Amino acid sequence: KAGVTQTPRYLIKTRGQQVTLSCSPISGHRSVSWYQQTPGQGLQFLFEYFSETQRNKGNFPGRFSGRQFSNSRSEMNVSTLELGDSALYLCASSGGQGTGANVLTFGAGSRLTVL
Amino acid sequence: GEDVEQSLFLSVREGDSSVINCTYTDSSSTYLYWYKQEPGAGLQLLTYIFSNMDMKQDQRLTVLLNKKDKHLSLRIADTQTGDSAIYFCAETLPLSGGSYIPTFGRGTSLIVHP
Repeated sequence: KAGVTQTPRYLIKTRGQQVTLSCSPISGHRSVSWYQQTPGQGLQFLFEYFSETQRNKGNFPGRFSGRQFSNSRSEMNVSTLELGDSALYLCASSGGQGTGANVLTFGAGSRLTVL
Repeated sequence: GEDVEQSLFLSVREGDSSVINCTYTDSSSTYLYWYKQEPGAGLQLLTYIFSNMDMKQDQRLTVLLNKKDKHLSLRIADTQTGDSAIYFCAETLPLSGGSYIPTFGRGTSLIVHP
């Protein structure tokens, strides 16, 4: 079956702009998590969505937001971009409950560069 | 301090065994994971171990868990150049609603040379 698909894979924005990243989970997976990966901070948890509801949230400012649609696809948005938002944004999906809920499958990531 | 700590680099010769170590802080951790990241790619789950286990073996991979010392290790037997990558250790705690949100270490860059 298809893996986790993230689009776009690469994008370049300038400071002050906003960006939307998309994630399509594995078919049947209901939980989608987002992580930010930078050389300085490593992998940091942004938020998790399950059945269209934000179930957990990391310690990021309100400029970072997300949502999940009824088909479990998820988007995350970053507004008023800053240079420090340059990172690889990783999406991961899992079953969300019960067996397999602890196993996250990651996408290839969206690499954002802010100039 | 960080919740999960790993050494940053490990260099081994092809054919040797590699051992990547990790320490974590929360004794309530339920699952501990090893992920692999190759250049330009996302994270690939290699294996995971439930906290009531001491060891898990999967082909060339052996995971050892010392819960008393909160120490996790990944041994790769007969290391190949294709094993060169960054290896991440991660732990999860039980969260309400059935969530598992891994906390990752900084990753260990494994370099395999001929």
